[in-house]
Amino acid sequence: EVQLVESGGGLVQPGRSLRLSCAASGFTFDDYAMHWVRQAPGKGLEWVSGISWNSGSIGYADSVKGRFTISRDNAKNSLYLQMNSLRAEDTALYYCAKAGESGWDFDYWGQGTLVTVSS
Amino acid sequence: SYELTQPPSVSVSPGQTARITCSGDALPKQYAYWYQQKPGQAPVLVIYKDSERPSGIPERFSGSSSGTTVTLTISGVQAEDEADYYCQSADSSGTYRVVFGGGTKLTVL
Repeated sequence: EVQLVESGGGLVQPGRSLRLSCAASGFTFDDYAMHWVRQAPGKGLEWVSGISWNSGSIGYADSVKGRFTISRDNAKNSLYLQMNSLRAEDTALYYCAKAGESGWDFDYWGQGTLVTVSS
Repeated sequence: SYELTQPPSVSVSPGQTARITCSGDALPKQYAYWYQQKPGQAPVLVIYKDSERPSGIPERFSGSSSGTTVTLTISGVQAEDEADYYCQSADSSGTYRVVFGGGTKLTVL
């Protein structure tokens, strides 16, 4: 059974940093791209960042480029998101999502970790 | 930047057919994907590669594509289908980037 468990969310002041983690199990982690998707309270889904199976391709939404860094450790079956210079508009539920066979769809999602940026 | 456009809301009565559209300039070149999200739950993939249905998704869910518009069709809508639906695709410019539509709230009357 595929499981994705996010952690690391919490309340943080504007301008500070936070690191999210996603522990994956139930599939061959290093065979698949992985992504972070967020959802602000009462709003729609927003893709944040993605990373290919070997970290050779990485992408970011314009809203986080230069502030967030995605990475993965295939030996630990883990995905990470380093978030720096956090802003109030980064407040959201952050989902870890596994890419499907096509590479661009998300066939499994975690339950999310909540990040609140507030003073 | 690349955008996908969905109607904010669609309403249908039980047993009727719901159609949710998604428009984007790159859709003729990139596959579209559809997700269902119920309150308090993570999204679920219901259609991939424009029209393929994952295992476990009811046959009443189908997808189609025509030019710059893709459509999610739910035949014989049931009360349990009331949810937010999002289309998603990849940027066709060569960058490693994904985009979601704004979402459509399906109300079953």
